[in-house]
Amino acid sequence: EADIYQTPRYLVIGTGKKITLECSQTMGHDKMYWYQQDPGMELHLIHYSYGVNSTEKGDLSSESTVSRIRTEHFPLTLESARPSHTSQYLCASSRTGGMDEQFFGPGTRLTVL
Amino acid sequence: KNEVEQSPQNLTAQEGEFITINCSYSVGISALHWLQQHPGGGIVSLFMLSSGKKKHGRLIATINIQEKHSSLHITASHPRDSAVYICAVEGGTSYGKLTFGQGTILTVHP
Repeated sequence: EADIYQTPRYLVIGTGKKITLECSQTMGHDKMYWYQQDPGMELHLIHYSYGVNSTEKGDLSSESTVSRIRTEHFPLTLESARPSHTSQYLCASSRTGGMDEQFFGPGTRLTVL
Repeated sequence: KNEVEQSPQNLTAQEGEFITINCSYSVGISALHWLQQHPGGGIVSLFMLSSGKKKHGRLIATINIQEKHSSLHITASHPRDSAVYICAVEGGTSYGKLTFGQGTILTVHP
């Protein structure tokens, strides 16, 4: 069983609100990722981190930002939510080094009205 | 054209049937991942492979690097295998960064 957690699981919020999606893992993994998945569509990498104080943007442009102050914690923030941000956001982690399986959190389903 | 293509997009089977899902990719890779996503949205890693073949229970994954092709097989399928199966590739120099296929929706009827 993967020890990676996301909160909240579901969030319905109005346009213009600031939101933070939480992601934590207890496996001591250095690498962490955020993926976005629209209904019925493939996942896209939006942010990744290879360790503390390391963050990079992924292949899909996103208005969200991330931080990595602690190894176990990788929150994602939207300063001003818009309906176009409605999606599922999945967090994942893996060990340092190449070619390791990724462990996924349960996801946060975000709806912006 | 997507970098990762899966076929079929939808697959319906009767319990007990042998199932094959295919994945083709167009870029150089260091590894290929097979993932399973259940209706609730949670994703589980099934396999990660860079060559040859791996087996876990009723699941078998193979990869042919020269042909840029991988297959996921399920033997003696069961209704609990119903899920979306996703192929993802990890680039040659971008450790951990995955590019995903669109997924194959598998439904196994009793």
